[in-house]
Amino acid sequence: EADIYQTPRYLVIGTGKKITLECSQTMGHDKMYWYQQDPGMELHLIHYSYGVNSTEKGDLSSESTVSRIRTEHFPLTLESARPSHTSQYLCASSHPAVEGTDTQYFGPGTRLTVL
Amino acid sequence: LAKTTQPISMDSYEGQEVNITCSHNNIATNDYITWYQQFPSQGPRFIIQGYKTKVTNEVASLFIPADRKSSTLSLPRVSLSDTAVYYCLVVTHAGGTSYGKLTFGQGTILTVHP
Repeated sequence: EADIYQTPRYLVIGTGKKITLECSQTMGHDKMYWYQQDPGMELHLIHYSYGVNSTEKGDLSSESTVSRIRTEHFPLTLESARPSHTSQYLCASSHPAVEGTDTQYFGPGTRLTVL
Repeated sequence: LAKTTQPISMDSYEGQEVNITCSHNNIATNDYITWYQQFPSQGPRFIIQGYKTKVTNEVASLFIPADRKSSTLSLPRVSLSDTAVYYCLVVTHAGGTSYGKLTFGQGTILTVHP
């Protein structure tokens, strides 16, 4: 099993609050990802990092920001949360594949509710 | 990106073999077929990946015909705990700073009954 952790697992906050969702992995993976998933819907990539000090936007536009100061840590921040940000946020990491494509290992997710 | 098509849902019973077929007509030479499993309120979990013919691991088998335009995930003797959403993805081999982009569709909801 992969060692990738997300905190908090559940978060309920009011509109306008600043929040940071934590994601850490202990596998030394260079690549890390953030996905957003609404209940019963598809996952959408919102951020990607291929190493320290590298971050890129994903396919789905997001008002969140990320940072990658350490290999093992990839936090996601919302400066001013809104009800439209209510969703499940999934963090993943991967390492270069010897053969085939990278296998992404997912954390348990953070379910965010903005009131 | 190659688009995938798979059944929206399937039902099975404990102890049966389940086969989920996925169509990917526009698969490219550098693409691999990858399957993930997701339980409610959890992140997806990698099941198996293949390029051609047959791949087997301790969890499942993946059958890919010669034209690679489709693939079949086979789950032997399913149990209630196999009830989950199964995603078929076509992923391009990546290197360096690029990544094997995962595009998740809606997946197949597998329900295993007692």
